[in-house]
Amino acid sequence: EAGVTQFPSHSVIEKGQTVTLRCDPISGHDNLYWYRRVMGKEIKFLLHFVKESKQDESGMPNNRFLAERTGGTYSTLKVQPAELEDSGVYFCASSQDRGLVTDTQYFGPGTRLTVL
Amino acid sequence: KNEVEQSPQNLTAQEGEFITINCSYSVGISALHWLQQHPGGGIVSLFMLSSGKKKHGRLIATINIQEKHSSLHITASHPRDSAVYICAGRKAAGNKLTFGGGTRVLVKP
Repeated sequence: EAGVTQFPSHSVIEKGQTVTLRCDPISGHDNLYWYRRVMGKEIKFLLHFVKESKQDESGMPNNRFLAERTGGTYSTLKVQPAELEDSGVYFCASSQDRGLVTDTQYFGPGTRLTVL
Repeated sequence: KNEVEQSPQNLTAQEGEFITINCSYSVGISALHWLQQHPGGGIVSLFMLSSGKKKHGRLIATINIQEKHSSLHITASHPRDSAVYICAGRKAAGNKLTFGGGTRVLVKP
């Protein structure tokens, strides 16, 4: 079974440009999460989808970030316009929804975003 | 103060040594996730536990709910265990994880 995949693996853009990151969760996983690690800091939560609905978007830094999960399958995270402080590694994770506190989240390899 | 605190930040061991990484967490967190990230690699889930102890190969994770503390132990460490180990807490309400800062482990041959 394929794991969580993310595209692209790396992206280098200039300040003010737009970038769209994609995450394909494990098939059958209703829960999809976006996290981010900024250089030197711990990984931080961005948002959580259950199927196509945003369950929790309390970690989204500002309105330059837009996440979608149309059809409840893959998700995209768009940054527009990108700023220097958006540089970091963006991780996606997915999990089943068994309603258990120990449901494991499976992580993708991450997208390294560099804003110049 | 972060809701999840890890120690040490860095750890160097000789091959074969027993390694312990500690994680303390705040009230409200009901389960702990231990993750591993090799240099240049993705994040791999090792354990998710809410009570007691779990073991997989040479890795053992324990959690003490009363003390709000979890440990990850590596027995008979090997250079391939060199990685960043991260603990992340999950609250009873909601699914999001709150991460510790990670422990960078280097096992020398």
